[in-house]
Amino acid sequence: NAGVTQTPKFQVLKTGQSMTLQCAQDMNHNSMYWYRQDPGMGLRLIYYSASEGTTDKGEVPNGYNVSRLNKREFSLRLESAAPSQTSVYFCASKTGTSSYEQYFGPGTRLTVT
Amino acid sequence: AQKITQTQPGMFVQEKEAVTLDCTYDTSDPSYGLFWYKQPSSGEMIFLIYQGSYDQQNATEGRYSLNFQKARKSANLVISASQLGDSAMYFCAMRESNAGNNRKLIWGLGTSLAVNP
Repeated sequence: NAGVTQTPKFQVLKTGQSMTLQCAQDMNHNSMYWYRQDPGMGLRLIYYSASEGTTDKGEVPNGYNVSRLNKREFSLRLESAAPSQTSVYFCASKTGTSSYEQYFGPGTRLTVT
Repeated sequence: AQKITQTQPGMFVQEKEAVTLDCTYDTSDPSYGLFWYKQPSSGEMIFLIYQGSYDQQNATEGRYSLNFQKARKSANLVISASQLGDSAMYFCAMRESNAGNNRKLIWGLGTSLAVNP
């Protein structure tokens, strides 16, 4: 099992450019999450998906959109990148039933200039 | 409002000694869960240990144990016999209180642990 995979690992964008961060899990988990991590701010939830076909806003959704393409994949899109979106982005998943632990991907380091 | 507080931004410990990382939480829900995650310099988030609010005993996982003091609303992580590889950021998190299986996690700001040889 690869667990949770994220692509790309690193990305540099210019202000106004768009991009999609990809996330996939092979653990048959129902729930998936997108976080951003900034120095001194801890992890903040951007969007989550409780199950295939559903998505909900988290703490900091502005400037982002998500798609739960199928049970395995949950993508995060930046339509018009801003320097404030420079961050490390983590995707996570969990079973959604009796297990509470979230499994994390390796992260994507995004810089917007 | 639910909140996690980690008051130690940075900690140092000598190799082979034990260290306690503090975490206090605030919730009015009787049912909740507490987690600790480790983030080494490589960046990945690694799950360490979980404690449910109704668990009778403190959780343990190898060298990690969770000192759960419900009345004081604290869930401190104890690492015994520290190793150089324990140098990392450590995050405390709480499963938020609402119905359903998709409760979100509320995160603390983390404690940076450095293990000295």
